[in-house]
Amino acid sequence: GQQLNQSPQSMFIQEGEDVSMNCTSSSIFNTWLWYKQDPGEGPVLLIALYKAGELTSNGRLTAQFGITRKDSFLNISASIPSDVGIYFCAGPNTGTASKLTFGTGTRLQVTL
Amino acid sequence: DAGVIQSPRHEVTEMGQEVTLRCKPISGHNSLFWYRQTMMRGLELLIYFNNNVPIDDSGMPEDRFSAKMPNASFSTLKIQPSEPRDSAVYFCASIGPAGENTGELFFGEGSRLTVL
Repeated sequence: GQQLNQSPQSMFIQEGEDVSMNCTSSSIFNTWLWYKQDPGEGPVLLIALYKAGELTSNGRLTAQFGITRKDSFLNISASIPSDVGIYFCAGPNTGTASKLTFGTGTRLQVTL
Repeated sequence: DAGVIQSPRHEVTEMGQEVTLRCKPISGHNSLFWYRQTMMRGLELLIYFNNNVPIDDSGMPEDRFSAKMPNASFSTLKIQPSEPRDSAVYFCASIGPAGENTGELFFGEGSRLTVL
């Protein structure tokens, strides 16, 4: 089946630092989604990407859809304490747009 | 607007007991998903329904797990008998017609299950 691997697994950064994480797939995706899970909550969609090469921003977050369609990147600029959580990439399974495979997750900790 | 509502938020039970988790999707959403989250395996899709009909249950781990959606506003995930390895956070998520193209799932807060 489709697998999404994320790196790094976890990050410990200081408030104000920029963050970069990525997601790679063993197969091609036509859509890339980035979700964030706050502690004790369910994941929430942050950014959606629909075209290879697309670069999309949402406030301090920027995500890119890799040209090969097998990877995606998420950057967070000037991190703040509320950025703490687990970030997941996700992509739809073949033939079913809403049936998502989630990546392994990147756990972000922000220290003051 | 109310989001996806799950109950219970926490359940602690003994091995062998029956567990029933409940979910109320967002009104108007026609697809519902049950996910399980563990440290080892991350977020796994167990089953999903479209218009109350189970479409894909290939992620259900074994016959001890069953899910139903008797109407558009209610779904259950049942584990009988439960085992310690079933301990996880179980999420319900729903998606509406517009979300079918965007992939925007709306998740509940999850049910944390501990089987002793």
